[in-house]
Amino acid sequence: AQTVTQSQPEMSVQEAETVTLSCTYDTSESNYYLFWYKQPPSRQMILVIRQEAYKQQNATENRFSVNFQKAAKSFSLKISDSQLGDTAMYFCAFMKNGDNDMRFGAGTRLTVKP
Amino acid sequence: DTAVSQTPKYLVTQMGNDKSIKCEQNLGHDTMYWYKQDSKKFLKIMFSYNNKELIINETVPNRFSPKSPDKAHLNLHINSLELGDSAVYFCASSQGDGGNTEAFFGQGTRLTVV
Repeated sequence: AQTVTQSQPEMSVQEAETVTLSCTYDTSESNYYLFWYKQPPSRQMILVIRQEAYKQQNATENRFSVNFQKAAKSFSLKISDSQLGDTAMYFCAFMKNGDNDMRFGAGTRLTVKP
Repeated sequence: DTAVSQTPKYLVTQMGNDKSIKCEQNLGHDTMYWYKQDSKKFLKIMFSYNNKELIINETVPNRFSPKSPDKAHLNLHINSLELGDSAVYFCASSQGDGGNTEAFFGQGTRLTVV
């Protein structure tokens, strides 16, 4: 079974600065997908960014980018120019290709301070 | 238009009661899920349905019974509610070909058993 580990239960960052959230995973699969989801206080789960394991290039979405290290099974999320609205729980998730089972890490609570 | 909608958003009920949570998606997705998020924010998959067929059934008490009348709906019925069932329950859907698209989540149903 795949496991996803987020080792930082809580983090904080000053507005406009950069923060990196870590995620590692354990799998014997070679073809899979990785995701970062954001859950603000509204409770809604929102996809932030997605990475296909077969792509070497790191995914980016505006201020959000990932550092995907397949050999190390690491998938960290970098948030640049942090904004107050980035305050939320962030979940890393894994899904094997051809599967219907998305597994989540325990989450990291990020607080952006003014 | 809401892509994945759950009703109700909040549910407070007494121990021993039976309750249902409804979920509908208008995205044309083949796969639907139920996740449970506990008080520590940990997200755990409960069930996954693909084209109305049960694909994943994690170790969930059989008091929980999902019902999928068609591929746009996946309802969750819970019998004999217990205090430990208190959590936020999320419905989600995806295209069902294994990670090629992200999972879209409903707003969650906060269930409180008293």
